[in-house]
Amino acid sequence: GAGVSQSPSNKVTEKGKDVELRCDPISGHTALYWYRQSLGQGLEFLIYFQGNSAPDKSGLPSDRFSAERTGGSVSTLTIQRTQQEDSAVYLCASRIGAETQYFGPGTRLLVL
Amino acid sequence: RKEVEQDPGPFNVPEGATVAFNCTYSNSASQSFFWYRQDCRKEPKLLMSVYSSGNEDGRFTAQLNRASQYISLLIRDSKLSDSATYLCVVSRYYGQNFVFGPGTRLSVLP
Repeated sequence: GAGVSQSPSNKVTEKGKDVELRCDPISGHTALYWYRQSLGQGLEFLIYFQGNSAPDKSGLPSDRFSAERTGGSVSTLTIQRTQQEDSAVYLCASRIGAETQYFGPGTRLLVL
Repeated sequence: RKEVEQDPGPFNVPEGATVAFNCTYSNSASQSFFWYRQDCRKEPKLLMSVYSSGNEDGRFTAQLNRASQYISLLIRDSKLSDSATYLCVVSRYYGQNFVFGPGTRLSVLP
């Protein structure tokens, strides 16, 4: 079946602009995660959605970052007033039950 | 101290070698443990879950020591295709977020 998909695959933007990154999880997966990975670094947890529960936003680095998940499926990560340090690969993952998580291919964001 | 720490690497080994990676975690309430591999410019992919009794999948063996809060991954008979970064992953509670270690890079040389 289809895996996790993300769009766009690459995004180049100018400093100060807003960007939206999209994640389509595996159908039926109730949990959805956003991470970011800077060049040569490990994964940094950003936010976690589980069903209808309030999301765990503890990893969001600043109030410029927000995410929503509509209808328990598609999620959008929004970065407002982008800064150069926001440049990274943004990875989405989904999971169901006790299984581990499956990752999408990521969105490579470059802020000029 | 980071919640999940791994051997700093990189590991450069010849084909056919046996290599072991170590990982420690600081939160004793951690419940689930995994090894992922990440190829260059690709997303992480699950390699194997780690069970208390230890588990093996072909050339790969994972061990968990809850008392020492230590996880290991052993790769026997290394192949060129094993070259990747290996990520230790810990989940604190069932259904909660996963914490990734910084990864250990492996290069298997011909």
